Amino acid sequence: AQSVAQPEDQVNVAEGNPLTVKCTYSVSGNPYLFWYVQYPNRGLQFLLKYITGDNLVKGSYGFEAEFNKSQTSFHLKKPSALVSDSALYFCAVRDIPYNFNKFYFGSGTKLNVKP
Amino acid sequence: DTAVSQTPKYLVTQMGNDKSIKCEQNLGHDTMYWYKQDSKKFLKIMFSYNNKELIINETVPNRFSPKSPDKAHLNLHINSLELGDSAVYFCASSQSQRRDEAFFGQGTRLTVV
Repeated sequence: AQSVAQPEDQVNVAEGNPLTVKCTYSVSGNPYLFWYVQYPNRGLQFLLKYITGDNLVKGSYGFEAEFNKSQTSFHLKKPSALVSDSALYFCAVRDIPYNFNKFYFGSGTKLNVKP
Repeated sequence: DTAVSQTPKYLVTQMGNDKSIKCEQNLGHDTMYWYKQDSKKFLKIMFSYNNKELIINETVPNRFSPKSPDKAHLNLHINSLELGDSAVYFCASSQSQRRDEAFFGQGTRLTVV
């Protein structure tokens, strides 16, 4: 079965500090992994993806994520948080080749960055 | 140049009414989706179409009927609206044979009163 878990409903961090938003997944085949961000009353915006290759992937707005196959994790990170990073973050997975037409989403993590 | 556009952005209607949401993508993608985001922000897939063919129907009530006149459009018609249908509905598209992300529309906030 396919699933994505984001164990933290909310992450609080002070501006300038590093941030981590956690994600673990379960798939039958190989995972294609994605992070999206949603600002209030907006659609989902793509941040970054892992398909193959280097386990550390870099994306938009200074975000990066580390793929760990043994821990089936894909945590989102940023070295120095900004107040403007405050938003809702979703992890998603495609299960290749079994369900390549479907994106499974986690429940979302609200990131609060305080000045 | 909006990649995935939905109309309307807001929809307020009474119980029992029938309403439609339209979606268009100009990315040349072959797969389109409808997702429902509930009040707790959970995102749940409803339907997926590949080249105008329905490939995913996630046990959605029959009151919801998607229609894809061509691969650039996927509309959602809802009959006999109920209070529980209130949510934000997102259209998205992707290319099935590529390693690409899905692109999302800005959402349609449906409120049933």
